[in-house]
Amino acid sequence: AQTVTQSQPEMSVQEAETVTLSCTYDTSENNYYLFWYKQPPSRQMILVIRQEAYKQQNATENRFSVNFQKAAKSFSLKISDSQLGDTAMYFCAFFLVYSGAGSYQLTFGKGTKLSVIP
Amino acid sequence: KAGVTQTPRYLIKTRGQQVTLSCSPISGHRSVSWYQQTPGQGLQFLFEYFSETQRNKGNFPGRFSGRQFSNSRSEMNVSTLELGDSALYLCASRLAGDTQYFGPGTRLTVL
Repeated sequence: AQTVTQSQPEMSVQEAETVTLSCTYDTSENNYYLFWYKQPPSRQMILVIRQEAYKQQNATENRFSVNFQKAAKSFSLKISDSQLGDTAMYFCAFFLVYSGAGSYQLTFGKGTKLSVIP
Repeated sequence: KAGVTQTPRYLIKTRGQQVTLSCSPISGHRSVSWYQQTPGQGLQFLFEYFSETQRNKGNFPGRFSGRQFSNSRSEMNVSTLELGDSALYLCASRLAGDTQYFGPGTRLTVL
């Protein structure tokens, strides 16, 4: 079974600064995807960024980027120029792509509560 | 395109009752998944439907069931509600690939 660990339950960052959220995962599979989702107080789960495991290049979406270390099974999220609207719970998630037990489902970490301070 | 919609948004039930939640996926998406989110257990996978067939099921009791219709809309049913079923129930839809897009959720409170 796959597991996802987010070791930082809470973090805070000053507005306009940079913050990095950590995520590690465990799997014996090779074909998978990793995601960061954001859940603001409205509870709507919003996709932040996506990484394909077979791609070595780290994904980037505007102010959000990841550091994907496949051998270390690490997938951290960097938020640059933090904004007040970034305040939310951030979930790291793993998605296995194959037809078998555990496939086609997202396995989530426990989340990191990020507060951006003005 | 309209996003994933879920109805109702809020629901209050009493123990022993049953409840049905509805999810309409993004147009063209054939996969619908359901997740339960609680403060204690976090986000847990319930089941996934694709073209009206359940392809995968999480570790939940048989009181939790679902179905998908030919228009890809999905319903989730919980029978004989327990206090522990109080949660945010999230539905997500997916096209053919890997990225799931979530609806706003249904907040179920069991009294």
